[in-house]
Amino acid sequence: EMVMTQSPATLSLSPGERATLSCRTSQSVNWYLAWYQQKPGQAPRLLIYGASTRATGVPARFSGSGSGTEFTLTISSLQSEDFAVYYCQHYNGWPVTFGGGTRLEIK
Amino acid sequence: EVQLVESGGGLVQPGGSLRLSCAASGFTFKDHAMVWVRQVPGKGLEWVSVIGDNGDFTSHADAVKGRFTISRDNSRNTLFLQMNGLRAEDTALYFCAKASPRSSNYDGYFDYWGQGILVTVSS
Repeated sequence: EMVMTQSPATLSLSPGERATLSCRTSQSVNWYLAWYQQKPGQAPRLLIYGASTRATGVPARFSGSGSGTEFTLTISSLQSEDFAVYYCQHYNGWPVTFGGGTRLEIK
Repeated sequence: EVQLVESGGGLVQPGGSLRLSCAASGFTFKDHAMVWVRQVPGKGLEWVSVIGDNGDFTSHADAVKGRFTISRDNSRNTLFLQMNGLRAEDTALYFCAKASPRSSNYDGYFDYWGQGILVTVSS
């Protein structure tokens, strides 16, 4: 089964700063990688699919990059509403799996 | 507006059964694959089951294979998860989600999610 490793586990930054979140897969998933944001008490929200395509309504400050086994989610300038947990997910065959998450907290 | 509303959760004893439902609206349900994903409170996300748009394809995670069955009723725009032989480790918040497949095997990302329904397995 694919192993998804997200780093760091926790990222402490201030509003206005740039956030860089990493996701590594144990085997190549080509570009079949999605990113989700989850706030407390809410369902996950799709941010990015195809490694770099923003989902409908997602602000341009969110961007995704990478292919193969190394992926990055970048938030260019953090807003207060961006502090949440972020998960990556591969969809290169079943079972699809999620990373353990990165908690983005206010410094 | 896409809406997914789960129901049917609750407290059940080990070995017991529950049937979750997910009522869908705001999109053409019969044209889309659907999944169940679960989350232990405070922990990460785990895919549970997938079903193709017309029910011809289903797949389950190893952790639930042989105990859980996914199904759908396209005439009622409803997704189901029959859970038998429940264990303490099945305790989680269960989400239904609309899938956006990349292939004929329906593997894909999940673009809309319900708010989740809590299943607690305890004596």
